[in-house]
Amino acid sequence: GDSVTQMEGPVTLSEEAFLTINCTYTATGYPSLFWYVQYPGEGLQLLLKATKADDKGSNKGFEATYRKETTSFHLEKGSVQVSDSAVYFCALSDQGFQKLVFGTGTRLLVSP
Amino acid sequence: DAGVTQSPTHLIKTRGQQVTLRCSPKSGHDTVSWYQQALGQGPQFIFQYYEEEERQRGNFPDRFSGHQFPNYSSELNVNALLLGDSALYLCASSRGQVESPLHFGNGTRLTVT
Repeated sequence: GDSVTQMEGPVTLSEEAFLTINCTYTATGYPSLFWYVQYPGEGLQLLLKATKADDKGSNKGFEATYRKETTSFHLEKGSVQVSDSAVYFCALSDQGFQKLVFGTGTRLLVSP
Repeated sequence: DAGVTQSPTHLIKTRGQQVTLRCSPKSGHDTVSWYQQALGQGPQFIFQYYEEEERQRGNFPDRFSGHQFPNYSSELNVNALLLGDSALYLCASSRGQVESPLHFGNGTRLTVT
């Protein structure tokens, strides 16, 4: 079945450092890909999405490009802030934006 | 504009008991999905309700059941609780269209002792 693999955390960075969180997927079709973020004590929030190969999703300085050839959707940000500290989940859906399959999440800790 | 609201926020139950969790979708949304998030894991899809019917179901036993009401709110019921049912239960709502992003609530933390 479909699955998502994320790099294990925690990822610890200093403020203004460059961020990469790796995500690869396995799917039989052509899924939509998502990054969700979960701040402490809160539910998941959609960060960005891409629905077809070579699409780039972007939001709040975060970017991810749908790479079909490498089945990847890595999350990047050029300069992280302390407020970016959260758990980041990569997810896919082969049914539009519904019935998401999530990775295990990567915790990001940003220190001043 | 209220987002997705879930109740209660925390719950402690004993093995073998039954539990009901509640969810009110975001205003304007008519589809509700439920996810189980075990500690340190990503959320797993339980089922989705639309027009008061279960539209899709994940790989969860029949002990997990749900309901959607005419006002689009939803309940998740779990019977014969096991220790392994301890988790954060997330409700997500969306509009009926397939490409409508999910909006998640803050979840209900269920502890089974």
